[in-house]
Amino acid sequence: QVQLVQSGAEVKKPGASVKVSCKASGYTFANYVIHWVRRAPGQRPEWMGWISAGNGNTKYSQKFQGRVTLTRDTSATTAYMELSSLISEDTAVYYCARMGVAADYWGQGTPVTVSS
Amino acid sequence: EIVLTQFPGTLSLSPGDRATLSCRANGTVSGTYVAWYQLKPGQGPRLLIYGASRRATGVPDKFSGSGSGTDFALTISRLEPEDFALYFCHQYGSPPWTFGQGTEVEFK
Repeated sequence: QVQLVQSGAEVKKPGASVKVSCKASGYTFANYVIHWVRRAPGQRPEWMGWISAGNGNTKYSQKFQGRVTLTRDTSATTAYMELSSLISEDTAVYYCARMGVAADYWGQGTPVTVSS
Repeated sequence: EIVLTQFPGTLSLSPGDRATLSCRANGTVSGTYVAWYQLKPGQGPRLLIYGASRRATGVPDKFSGSGSGTDFALTISRLEPEDFALYFCHQYGSPPWTFGQGTEVEFK
């Protein structure tokens, strides 16, 4: 069965960077795009960007352009999201999602807390 | 950017009730690319409906979606205890992807 398993919770200081992983299994990793979405406490989800697992092409939301980097390791069937220059407003749960008919399978979420 | 507004913010209902959740866009959603998700604490979102009205794999037929253009709805025909959760609408037809703010279906 399709599964996306994300790395564990992170606590970071303002100005630091965080890198979240998303390990895919149960399907052909290279055939799909992976999107990243975050949801801050009590807020609506926000789309951050996507990466093609096959060729590595990326597209970023203008809001996060310059601060977010999406990569993937096809041999490890894992996608990564790195967010830099963290501020308190980046405190959120970060999700990866596979793009099938829609965003059909999601990771369990990785809480990231930014606090001094 | 397409802004999605969900209403009501909270639905207080009992098991066996019918739930109707609404989602309105501030512009036409291209290709009826609207999805609905269920979110429970500690879990990732679960896709229920895509293409406005198509049930995702394994989703029971108590869940149905409807709508086009700017107005969309999710109906849960008979609520069961496991259906009390947070629900989001989402449009993926016009970049950037956007989401509604959510409707909480809670026990009355």
